[in-house]
Amino acid sequence: GAGVSQSPRYKVAKRGQDVALRCDPISGHVSLFWYQQALGQGPEFLTYFQNEAQLDKSGLPSDRFFAERPEGSVSTLKIQRTQQEDSAVYLCASSALAGGVKVTQYFGPGTRLLVL
Amino acid sequence: GQNIDQPTEMTATEGAIVQINCTYQTSGFNGLFWYQQHAGEAPTFLSYNVLDGLEEKGRFSSFLSRSKGYSYLLLKELQMKDSASYLCAVLKAAGNKLTFGGGTRVLVKP
Repeated sequence: GAGVSQSPRYKVAKRGQDVALRCDPISGHVSLFWYQQALGQGPEFLTYFQNEAQLDKSGLPSDRFFAERPEGSVSTLKIQRTQQEDSAVYLCASSALAGGVKVTQYFGPGTRLLVL
Repeated sequence: GQNIDQPTEMTATEGAIVQINCTYQTSGFNGLFWYQQHAGEAPTFLSYNVLDGLEEKGRFSSFLSRSKGYSYLLLKELQMKDSASYLCAVLKAAGNKLTFGGGTRVLVKP
């Protein structure tokens, strides 16, 4: 079956511009995660949804970052008034269940954001 | 908080074996993951250890010691395509987010 997909794959934004990044998780996956990955670093957690509920947003770096998953499937990460330090790869991951053994997270290819 | 440490870079020869170590300190633990990530691509799942011991999966094996806060990923019969970054990640008991180490870049030379 299809894996996690993300769009766009690449985004160039001017400083101050708003951007929206989309994630389509694996069909039926309950949990959805957003991570930010700087060049040469490991991914860092941003936020987590279980179905449509955003259960953890402790990793969002500022109130310019906002995520939603209104119908418990597709998710959008929005960054308002982008800054140069927002330049990174934004990874989305999904897992089948919220707990138990099916906790493996499967990642999408990421959106590479460059803010000029 | 959590500290997850792994070497930054390792070099090995095609056909050889490489062991990537990962140490962690965490306030909660519900398992340790290894992912492979080629440049510009998504991390792909390799292994998940929640109990102590060795898990073998083809050319890749992963080991966990919870009492020591230690894991390793063993790559055998290295192939050129194994050149990638290898990410160690801990799943906390509370919540489901993964906390990653910085990744180990493995370069396989002919």
